[in-house]
Amino acid sequence: LAKTTQPISMDSYEGQEVNITCSHNNIATNDYITWYQQFPSQGPRFIIQGYKTKVTNEVASLFIPADRKSSTLSLPRVSLSDTAVYYCLVGDEDYKLSFGAGTTVTVRA
Amino acid sequence: GAGVSQSPRYKVAKRGQDVALRCDPISGHVSLFWYQQALGQGPEFLTYFQNEAQLDKSGLPSDRFFAERPEGSVSTLKIQRTQQEDSAVYLCASSLSLDLLQGNTIYFGEGSWLTVV
Repeated sequence: LAKTTQPISMDSYEGQEVNITCSHNNIATNDYITWYQQFPSQGPRFIIQGYKTKVTNEVASLFIPADRKSSTLSLPRVSLSDTAVYYCLVGDEDYKLSFGAGTTVTVRA
Repeated sequence: GAGVSQSPRYKVAKRGQDVALRCDPISGHVSLFWYQQALGQGPEFLTYFQNEAQLDKSGLPSDRFFAERPEGSVSTLKIQRTQQEDSAVYLCASSLSLDLLQGNTIYFGEGSWLTVV
C-alpha cells in the first residue's frame, strides 16, 4: 500500500472551509484515494473516494492533481459537528486498509 | 439492522480472562473485517472473512486471538488469556463484496471497547 502523509491536526472556525492535503508520492496506477471520518466513540465512516481530477458529493469535495501524488479533501462551511479525525487512504483492491494516524480537525465556535 | 452492530460496547476484563466480541454485519454483506484501534491511533487490520471463509488472519497479533464466522453472517472475535496490551477498541466492518473500488465501501460498527485490568 502506498504510504500517505497528512497533517496531525488542524483548527478551524464554524462556517469556514477546511482543506486537508494528503501526500502519497508512491501512489500506484491502480490506486484509488479514499477518505474516512471518525468521530469519538464511533467507527470510521466513508466520506469520499476518487481516482483523478475532482469528485464532489453532499459531504465534501476531493481534488486530485494530474500527477496524483497528493489529494485535498475540502469540507465546505464546517460546523462544530465536523470535529473529527479524517483519514486519507490509498490503495486498490487491498482490503487491508491502512489508516495511519489521521488528521484531527477541531472546529471552534 | 441498518448498520453493523457490535456487542458488548464496553467490556472490562481481568488479566487472564477470556473475552468474546460479537459482530452482526449488514444483512447480505459478503465481506467482514476486524480491526484493532489503540488509543490515539488509526485502526489496524486483524482479519478478513468472505462469507464463512477466513481468507486472511495475518493481522492477528498472537495465537490468543481467534475469529470465526461459521454461517457467513455473525462473527465472533475471541481473545484468550487477555493481557493489558489487548486494551483497545475492536472494530468490525462489512462490505457488500471484496471489490472496494468505485464506492463499494466498507461500513464500520461503533466498536467494542475492551479494557484489561
